[in-house]
Amino acid sequence: QKEVEQNSGPLSVPEGAIASLNCTYSDRGSQSFFWYRQYSGKSPELIMSIYSNGDKEDGRFTAQLNKASQYVSLLIRDSQPSDSATYLCAVTAGAGNNRKLIWGLGTSLAVNP
Amino acid sequence: DGGITQSPKYLFRKEGQNVTLSCEQNLNHDAMYWYRQDPGQGLRLIYYSQIVNDFQKGDIAEGYSVSREKKESFPLTVTSAQKNPTAFYLCASSRNRAGGEGETQYFGPGTRLLVL
Repeated sequence: QKEVEQNSGPLSVPEGAIASLNCTYSDRGSQSFFWYRQYSGKSPELIMSIYSNGDKEDGRFTAQLNKASQYVSLLIRDSQPSDSATYLCAVTAGAGNNRKLIWGLGTSLAVNP
Repeated sequence: DGGITQSPKYLFRKEGQNVTLSCEQNLNHDAMYWYRQDPGQGLRLIYYSQIVNDFQKGDIAEGYSVSREKKESFPLTVTSAQKNPTAFYLCASSRNRAGGEGETQYFGPGTRLLVL
């Protein structure tokens, strides 16, 4: 059973701090990795995608991928109260018709003013 | 203004009733997906479609049916065989399923289904 694991939280950080969200996955063949943000009662929205080892930066967000350790993380710099949400990690697994996204349960982030 | 629309926002189902959830996209995406989200559980794939007139079962297809007669539309029917239908239903689409940026999934606003 292919799995994606995240710490459920809640992760609480003060406004302006760096929030670090972590995700591990079980399928060594996974090639695509995604971070989504989901506000309560709303649908997930894409934050970042990453496909190769290393860091990828987009504004205040940095995704980090380490395939050897089967680990992907999301850093949020200068955290704002509007960043308070659940962050979902998703990882591709399988091939052909069996190819699909495996979703973590999400980490709840609270940014305190 | 490209995107994915789902309707209705809330849907109430009576015992023994079939209900249909609408999903439309104008992103010109080939692939479309239906997920179910329950509290404390991750997103679970119900059905997906890679191309018009073709669809595949996901992990929890029992009690659900879909059609893909047009590229833009992928309606989901929750049948009376689905005994625990109360959930948040999410429709998503991606350009393709070939890997890389093309398989990035984008979501509609969701439909919340409740049983009366």
